[in-house]
Amino acid sequence: NAGVMQNPRHLVRRRGQEARLRCSPMKGHSHVYWYRQLPEEGLKFMVYLQKENIIDESGMPKERFSAEFPKEGPSILRIQQVVRGDSAAYFCASSPGQGKTEAFFGQGTRLTVV
Amino acid sequence: GENVEQHPSTLSVQEGDSAVIKCTYSDSASNYFPWYKQELGKRPQLIIDIRSNVGEKKDQRIAVTLNKTAKHFSLHITETQPEDSAVYFCAAPAAGTASKLTFGTGTRLQVTL
Repeated sequence: NAGVMQNPRHLVRRRGQEARLRCSPMKGHSHVYWYRQLPEEGLKFMVYLQKENIIDESGMPKERFSAEFPKEGPSILRIQQVVRGDSAAYFCASSPGQGKTEAFFGQGTRLTVV
Repeated sequence: GENVEQHPSTLSVQEGDSAVIKCTYSDSASNYFPWYKQELGKRPQLIIDIRSNVGEKKDQRIAVTLNKTAKHFSLHITETQPEDSAVYFCAAPAAGTASKLTFGTGTRLQVTL
């Protein structure tokens, strides 16, 4: 079991560009969560998805951010027109669902906006 | 929503001593409390968790205690070692969800020789 896989590990974007972050959950896990961690801070919930459904996006900024978890392929967190304040580590976590609550994190994508 | 507070923000102990980190939560319906360890530049790793039907859980040098009445839970590390140095986060799920976790602000533990 390869665990939760995120790519890329590091991503540099210029202001105004788009960033796409990918997350493949652990085998057998159908629930995906995205968290953002600013330097020297804790993890902030962004969005919770199941296959083809957004369950809770209460932590997502209202503009420029979107997420999906298609039937096939990884979950994608998309940030349009990036600004310097978007620079952070973005972590994906997955859980099996079905009453099992343990969430396991990927290695994260460190986004730097220059 | 859930509010999780964590103390202290930094903790320095000598190797071999014990370390205790405390968290409080606001939602009395929360029933699952994980602890994560995050080393510099790495992902948070689940080290121990406790469910609301037990008051204490132990795994080698790590233990977690839960007081549902007072709505607080604590992480205890005994016989600390330099490799225990990291940032530790407590978390609790938002009411009615499985794993939408609200995290504490973290405790930076430094184990000195």
